[in-house]
Amino acid sequence: KNQVEQSPQSLIILEGKNCTLQCNYTVSPFSNLRWYKQDTGRGPVSLTIMTFSENTKSNGRYTATLDADTKQSSLHITASQLSDSASYICVVSEGSSYKLIFGSGTRLLVRP
Amino acid sequence: DADVTQTPRNRITKTGKRIMLECSQTKGHDRMYWYRQDPGLGLRLIYYSFDVKDINKGEISDGYSVSRQAQAKFSLSLESAIPNQTALYFCATSKGYDNEQFFGPGTRLTVL
Repeated sequence: KNQVEQSPQSLIILEGKNCTLQCNYTVSPFSNLRWYKQDTGRGPVSLTIMTFSENTKSNGRYTATLDADTKQSSLHITASQLSDSASYICVVSEGSSYKLIFGSGTRLLVRP
Repeated sequence: DADVTQTPRNRITKTGKRIMLECSQTKGHDRMYWYRQDPGLGLRLIYYSFDVKDINKGEISDGYSVSRQAQAKFSLSLESAIPNQTALYFCATSKGYDNEQFFGPGTRLTVL
């Protein structure tokens, strides 16, 4: 069964600190992997996308990594800000179709 | 700005009532989707439409129906709402061969 699992479920860090969120997937065939950010009361917004051949992709203070051999991805947030408080969702695209497999997300709270 | 909008944003209803959630988009995308989000679970696909005349069931379509009134409009109906349909509902859109999906702000539905 195609699945995407994320850890931790929730995380609290102090402003200015770094953190890393994890994603493991068992989706086949694999097309690409995205990290989405979902602010409270809003829809998810794409942060990064990585295909099979990409290992690292950055978007400002967000850096995603992908290990296609172990089927793991991580999202690293550098120098966290209060506005980083949100849920981060790992989403894997099955094949070349519309079908997306969503993780349940990591809820990040950045405290002053 | 090209956008995805949903109405209503919040709705409280009673068991057995018929409910319609509406989605409109100004992105010019041909594909539209309805998802539901429950606490601790990833988003799950209810229905999707690749064109006005092309509507398909997702993984959890029981108890729901949809209508694609125009390229830009896609509505979701609960014919007879039940409490376990209490959830956050998202509409999303994408272009034909680009599977990045753009999400609306969501509708929080509570069925008493």
